[in-house]
Formats: sequence, structure tokens, C-alpha cells
Amino acid sequence: DAGVTQSPTHLIKTRGQQVTLRCSPKSGHDTVSWYQQALGQGPQFIFQYYEEEERQRGNFPDRFSGHQFPNYSSELNVNALLLGDSALYLCASSLGGRDTEAFFGQGTRLTVV
Amino acid sequence: AQTVTQSQPEMSVQEAETVTLSCTYDTSESDYYLFWYKQPPSRQMILVIRQEAYKQQNATENRFSVNFQKAAKSFSLKISDSQLGDAAMYFCAYRRGTTRGGSNYKLTFGKGTLLTVNP
Repeated sequence: DAGVTQSPTHLIKTRGQQVTLRCSPKSGHDTVSWYQQALGQGPQFIFQYYEEEERQRGNFPDRFSGHQFPNYSSELNVNALLLGDSALYLCASSLGGRDTEAFFGQGTRLTVV
Repeated sequence: AQTVTQSQPEMSVQEAETVTLSCTYDTSESDYYLFWYKQPPSRQMILVIRQEAYKQQNATENRFSVNFQKAAKSFSLKISDSQLGDAAMYFCAYRRGTTRGGSNYKLTFGKGTLLTVNP
């Protein structure tokens, strides 16, 4: 079992550009959540996808959007990048339902210059 | 809104000794889960232990145990016989227990405690 995989591992973008981050969930998982972790902080919830729909959203602007594919993999898109978007982006997968736990990928380190 | 507070930005412990990391949370829900995650320099969040609010018995996983005080909304992590590999950032997290149209709720994290283990 490969676990949760994210790509790329590191990325450098210029302010104003757009970026797409990718996540493949752990085998058997149908729910994908995205978190932003600024340096020295705890992860902040961006949004969650289940059954190819955005089910929950945190306090992030519309510049942050996402998608879930039929195979449950997911993408996180960020438009009009700001310097403040520099962070570690974590993907977590889980099985829908109550008694479940989230498994995290190793994250994508995004640097906006 | 639920909040999670970790009041110890940094802690240190001698190898083989015991250390306790503190966490408090605020919620009006009665059905929820609490978690401790470990994040080593490799960046990957690893689940250490979890506690369901309905269970009165404190969770234990090998050298890791929790002290869950529901009335006080406190959830501390005790690491016994500390090892060099325990050095990491530790995050306390909360999740509502109910489901939302089939999916589970988001995790709310504290700011973390950096644990150093001295040889």
C-alpha cells in the first residue's frame, strides 16, 4: 500500500502565477482533505472532497479551488499566487463515515517569490 | 467554533525519561474525537493516538498514553521511556464525531509543541 502520495514535493512559483497540486489517496479511501501549514504553525483546513463534491470549506478565498476525480484522487488549484501562500500543503485521505482516521501525505512545499 | 490550544511551544526530555504534552480544547459538541499527531522533519503527519469522547477509558498505544479530562476539556499526551526517534513536532487535533452527508468532519489543529529528546 503506497499510502497517500502528493506531487510535486517542492515547487517555486512567481507571485501572480497559478499552481496545481496533486494527491492520490490511500487505497480504499474516498475522502480527500487539503490543509495549509504555514511555517511554525498547525495545519489549517482548506476544503474536503467526498463523492467528487466539495463538502466542507475552511476560511480560504475563492482563489483556492479543487477537484476530485472518479478514482478519488484530487487536485488543489491556487490562482493569483500571493507571497503569503508560501506554505506546506498537506493532503489527507480517509474513509467516509464516523469511525475513521486521516492519513497524511508528505506534503508539497510551495514557495512564492 | 472549535478551538485547540497547545500552551507549550517547546518541550525537552532526557532519553528514557517521561514527558507530558498539554492540550486544551473548546467545543459545545458532545460527540467528538481527539488526536495526537507527530510531525518529524520528514513533514509527514503520523497518527500517534486517538480518543473518542464517549469512551471514559484513556487510550494507550505502547509508550504513549493520554489523560482525557472531558469536563475540563483537557487532553494531554504522556510519552514514557522517551527515545531519540520521538523528537518531532506534536499536534493535538479535534474532530466532530458526527458525519456530514457521509463524509467526516475536518480536523482542527493546535499550533504544536516541538519536542526535543536529549541523549
